[in-house]
Amino acid sequence: AQTVTQSQPEMSVQEAETVTLSCTYDTSESDYYLFWYKQPPSRQMILVIRQEAYKQQNATENRFSVNFQKAAKSFSLKISDSQLGDAAMYFCAYRSPRRETSGSRLTFGEGTQLTVNP
Amino acid sequence: DAGITQSPRHKVTETGTPVTLRCHQTENHRYMYWYRQDPGHGLRLIHYSYGVKDTDKGEVSDGYSVSRSKTEDFLLTLESATSSQTSVYFCAIRGISSENLSGANVLTFGAGSRLTVL
Repeated sequence: AQTVTQSQPEMSVQEAETVTLSCTYDTSESDYYLFWYKQPPSRQMILVIRQEAYKQQNATENRFSVNFQKAAKSFSLKISDSQLGDAAMYFCAYRSPRRETSGSRLTFGEGTQLTVNP
Repeated sequence: DAGITQSPRHKVTETGTPVTLRCHQTENHRYMYWYRQDPGHGLRLIHYSYGVKDTDKGEVSDGYSVSRSKTEDFLLTLESATSSQTSVYFCAIRGISSENLSGANVLTFGAGSRLTVL
């Protein structure tokens, strides 16, 4: 079974600075999908960014980018020019491509609580 | 909420009582999921459905049952609630998300239902 680990329960960053959130995963599959979700105090789960394992290029969405290291099974999220609205719980998630056995489910890490200081 | 509605949003109940949470979608998506969120554990899959009357267990299915009699509704039932089932419950569907991050490979979540079992 796949596992996802976020080793930083809490992180903080100054407004306008850059912060990196770590995520590692364990899998025997060669093709899969990785995601970062954001959960603000409203509790809504918001998809931030996704990465397909077969793509070598790191995904980027505006101020959010990832550092995908397939051999190391690492998938970190970098937030540039941090804003107060970035304060949230961030979850890393893994999805197997095998729909028959996994039902396209997501396996989540424990989460990292990000605080943005003004 | 991208066509997903959870009800009730908040519920307080007593140990031993039955509880049913409802997830309703308007997008006609095949796959639906129930997750629970607890501090230190992230989101964990309870059950999922891959079609009408087609369901399967997730990693924390004990004490829960589900039903899907029509495409748009996925019900989660706690036959006899226990205090360990106090949690926030999220329903998700496969697909949609946002205009920039859309597609069949993403999960879109409802707003969550907070259940307290006294």
